[in-house]
Amino acid sequence: EPEVTQTPSHQVTQMGQEVILRCVPISNHLYFYWYRQILGQKVEFLVSFYNNEISEKSEIFDDQFSVERPDGSNFTLKIRSTKLEDSAMYFCASSAIHPGDTEAFFGQGTRLTVV
Amino acid sequence: ELKVEQNPLFLSMQEGKNYTIYCNYSTTSDRLYWYRQDPGKSLESLFVLLSNGAVKQEGRLMASLDTKARLSTLHITAAVHDLSATYFCAVAGTASKLTFGTGTRLQVTL
Repeated sequence: EPEVTQTPSHQVTQMGQEVILRCVPISNHLYFYWYRQILGQKVEFLVSFYNNEISEKSEIFDDQFSVERPDGSNFTLKIRSTKLEDSAMYFCASSAIHPGDTEAFFGQGTRLTVV
Repeated sequence: ELKVEQNPLFLSMQEGKNYTIYCNYSTTSDRLYWYRQDPGKSLESLFVLLSNGAVKQEGRLMASLDTKARLSTLHITAAVHDLSATYFCAVAGTASKLTFGTGTRLQVTL
């Protein structure tokens, strides 16, 4: 069964360092997303991406964040200068077409720990 | 801004009992999703509800959607330990974004 895969599963980084979280969405999907979940809290939307550009982003997704689809299969989230409060589980998701027509499928997540 | 609230936040129930989790949302939407999350794991899609009056069932779980009341329910019938997890509802507001509820942590005890 097709699935969204994320790497790494766990990343520890020092405050101020740049991190790149990687995702391989399901191959025929067209919409890609990043969400995050701080430990014990709800899942929060960060950004959606369609047709090689950001279609929507949240207030959390400030200038420190960027997304890219560098090669037609990977979808990356970059945090330029990590802060302690960026520690969270980051989920990548993809959907075939508009979310109104089908559900988003989530990857297993990358746990980011900023020390 | 779309707000999604779930209650209860925590539910401890005995095996064999029935219970309902509620999901209320603040603005009009006819697309609602239920996900299950086990500790430290990803989000598993349970139900997709795309119209008013939609009802879906899978095993001991049944979900329904009332778009006029802006309410979805997840009903658990004759709970078993394997259902212990956190359940999230998520509402599609704008074109490409899901807003998640606070989650309901379900613990099924013997």
